[in-house]
Amino acid sequence: EDKVVQSPLSLVVHEGDTVTLNCSYEVTNFRSLLWYKQEKKAPTFLFMLTSSGIEKKSGRLSSILDKKELFSILNITATQTGDSAVYLCAGGATNKLIFGTGTLLAVQP
Amino acid sequence: DTEVTQTPKHLVMGMTNKKSLKCEQHMGHRAMYWYKQKAKKPPELMFVYSYEKLSINESVPSRFSPECPNSSLLNLHLHALQPEDSALYLCASSQVGLAGRLTYNEQFFGPGTRLTVL
Repeated sequence: EDKVVQSPLSLVVHEGDTVTLNCSYEVTNFRSLLWYKQEKKAPTFLFMLTSSGIEKKSGRLSSILDKKELFSILNITATQTGDSAVYLCAGGATNKLIFGTGTLLAVQP
Repeated sequence: DTEVTQTPKHLVMGMTNKKSLKCEQHMGHRAMYWYKQKAKKPPELMFVYSYEKLSINESVPSRFSPECPNSSLLNLHLHALQPEDSALYLCASSQVGLAGRLTYNEQFFGPGTRLTVL
């Protein structure tokens, strides 16, 4: 059965801290690994990773995929209160996305 | 226009009602999706349409009936729902990949409809 597991389930940090969120996956016909940020409503896209070892960056966020070990990490440096959200990781298969349960990040001032 | 819109934002219905959720996108995406999300849980895939044809039904009960009248619109018709169907219903769209493959492309999500079944 396909599954995506994220850790930690929740995390509380202070502004300025660096955080690393983890995602491991077992997905049949795996094609890509996607990261989304979900605040109150719809998930918003962060990254899509298809190749191992190539880091993708967007401002203070970065992510990398290891297809041999079947995991990905999302790093956020110099965290801000606006980074508080649920971060969802999803494994993209041939016809679907399988979401993990998410990591709830709370950034305190 | 990189937006997926959904109406209504909130819906309260009784178990005997018939209602519909609507989703619209104008990004030229030919794949559209319905997800159900319960509180503190990840989105769960319900249906996938590709080129206006239903390609995936994740064993969803027949009280949920999807419809894709054209490439920009996706509806979800609701009838005889149960209280446990109360959830956030998310619509998403994406490009269709090479050879008609789906969803390893980025999906754009709408804001969702918060459904409460009494």
